[in-house]
Amino acid sequence: DVKVTQSSRYLVKRTGEKVFLECVQDMDHENMFWYRQDPGLGLRLIYFSYDVKMKEKGDIPEGYSVSREKKERFSLILESASTNQTSMYLCASSLLGGRGGYTFGSGTRLTVV
Amino acid sequence: SQQGEEDPQALSIQEGENATMNCSYKTSINNLQWYRQNSGRGLVHLILIRSNEREKHSGRLRVTLDTSKKSSSLLITASRAADTASYFCATDARDRGSTLGRLYFGRGTQLTVWP
Repeated sequence: DVKVTQSSRYLVKRTGEKVFLECVQDMDHENMFWYRQDPGLGLRLIYFSYDVKMKEKGDIPEGYSVSREKKERFSLILESASTNQTSMYLCASSLLGGRGGYTFGSGTRLTVV
Repeated sequence: SQQGEEDPQALSIQEGENATMNCSYKTSINNLQWYRQNSGRGLVHLILIRSNEREKHSGRLRVTLDTSKKSSSLLITASRAADTASYFCATDARDRGSTLGRLYFGRGTQLTVWP
């Protein structure tokens, strides 16, 4: 069964901490995406990557960075976590061009206190 | 915004009834997709309809696309309590000239199916 795996379902971090959210896919997909989902705001794209070491800013990249050293792994980094980054974070992957749609991970619910 | 917008925001029906959700969007598209999200989980891809298609079926799902009105509808027939979830439309916007496959998601319709 093909899969996108996010390393944690729930995380609680303190303000100012550096936070790493990991995402791994086993489908040899070129594209990988990080979204955050908040009530009333829907899914907002933070960053995406279409190839190893390539990244593109989404709609809300401020306060985040990403790393894609290997094709199967896409990491989201909160350089200095803040309470307004408390959210559900969703990773997704797809073939280049989005053929066949996205495959999503189960999500990481991050709480920053 | 290039987001799709779903309508209604919430829909409550009895088992066995049909559920219809609508999506409107603003830009030219390559395709439009529908996703489902159970509470607290990731999204699951349901169906993709290309811009040159008008209707598509998958099991109890029927999707229509009207590019002249920039709208789509998702029909779930003979709904079940297990269909309770949020449903999102997503558009692969064409006018930015990108072939990378970025999708723009709406805010979703919360469907509740009562037993």
